[in-house]
Amino acid sequence: NAGVTQTPKFQVLKTGQSMTLQCAQDMNHEYMSWYRQDPGMGLRLIHYSVGAGITDQGEVPNGYNVSRSTTEDFPLRLLSAAPSQTSVYFCASSYSSPGLGIDTQYFGPGTRLTVL
Amino acid sequence: DAKTTQPNSMESNEEEPVHLPCNHSTISGTDYIHWYRQLPSQGPEYVIHGLTSNVNNRMASLAIAEDRKSSTLILHRATLRDAAVYYCICSNNDMRFGAGTRLTVKP
Repeated sequence: NAGVTQTPKFQVLKTGQSMTLQCAQDMNHEYMSWYRQDPGMGLRLIHYSVGAGITDQGEVPNGYNVSRSTTEDFPLRLLSAAPSQTSVYFCASSYSSPGLGIDTQYFGPGTRLTVL
Repeated sequence: DAKTTQPNSMESNEEEPVHLPCNHSTISGTDYIHWYRQLPSQGPEYVIHGLTSNVNNRMASLAIAEDRKSSTLILHRATLRDAAVYYCICSNNDMRFGAGTRLTVKP
């Protein structure tokens, strides 16, 4: 198993540009989520999905869109990048909602995004 | 989800036990206590979780207070590889990470 994969590893954008961060998992996990981590800070939940076709907002959803058309993929879209979105983005997956205590979350290696 | 309070940083000597505390005084009856850690330049990884009883696994032990308002993650013999940020999360749904405790292990 490749686990949770994220592409690209690094990205530099100019203010106003759009892009999609890719996340894929090959563990047949229903639950997937996106976090951002600013320098020296903890992770903040952006969006999550409990299964294909179902998404919901986390703590900091503004400026980001998600969709979940397949179990494997959960892309994160930045419609109009802003310098405040400079951060490291982590994708995670688990069989069910990780807070339920049934199983654990697996995290990808992260995408480091800089918006100029 | 209950708010958690952890010390910003802790230090330990290699080969010695480490006790990482977490306060969660507003925990609800259905919230699990989860611990994750984040090694430098990596995504977080699962350490341990529990509900009411103490838990042990190959990585660590979790001691939960009887009133569940606090818990302690115990690393029995710290190694240099255990240097990381440790996050305590109380949740029964999605996971929300705080700032965590940065553990430094001295040789």
